[in-house]
Amino acid sequence: QQQVKQSPQSLIVQKGGISIINCAYENTAFDYFPWYQQFPGKGPALLIAIRPDVSEKKEGRFTISFNKSAKQFSLHIMDSQPGDSATYFCAASEGRAGGTSYGKLTFGQGTILTVHP
Amino acid sequence: GAGVSQSPRYKVAKRGQDVALRCDPISGHVSLFWYQQALGQGPEFLTYFQNEAQLDKSGLPSDRFFAERPEGSVSTLKIQRTQQEDSAVYLCASSLERGYSYEQYFGPGTRLTVT
Repeated sequence: QQQVKQSPQSLIVQKGGISIINCAYENTAFDYFPWYQQFPGKGPALLIAIRPDVSEKKEGRFTISFNKSAKQFSLHIMDSQPGDSATYFCAASEGRAGGTSYGKLTFGQGTILTVHP
Repeated sequence: GAGVSQSPRYKVAKRGQDVALRCDPISGHVSLFWYQQALGQGPEFLTYFQNEAQLDKSGLPSDRFFAERPEGSVSTLKIQRTQQEDSAVYLCASSLERGYSYEQYFGPGTRLTVT
């Protein structure tokens, strides 16, 4: 069962452009939504994360937009640079009251981003 | 400081062989996760340890997969009688404490190829 669906599979943008990657989830118990960046031969690294009590979070050139009613969230990369070329994964984790969640992540399928100079 | 390390980085096994994959988490990290990443896919959860206790093994695909963390630090993922469908990158991640708000730091992974 695919609990987090990510699109597009691949994305090509020009340097300076905006990259947008979208994710949709099904499990309403998900309460934490991180984005990871992965370079070839490396493990994923946390880029930015959001909780559903806010609709947007911005860190530098990276912004997460979150729509709780639609169960969708997206990553926007402003002023995309060739060094941003990597695979991006959205993910989600359940947060339960009482602190019983331990942080198991459910990942999307990934988006291969290529930024041309 | 040192991050999460995994060894070996690459492993080729003949079908039917047993393999052992090692994870050295960041020192002092309580939580340790194993994920399996098939080619072109996102990582999928395998199992979770809090210190030496294996609290969740719901993602292990079969009883051929076994993981341990006997002293609450280094962890080993063992796969018995490997099959071709076991070919994947096996990722280990650790986090400081238990809880979804704690960042998971991933190792570089072990790429397992079963021939």
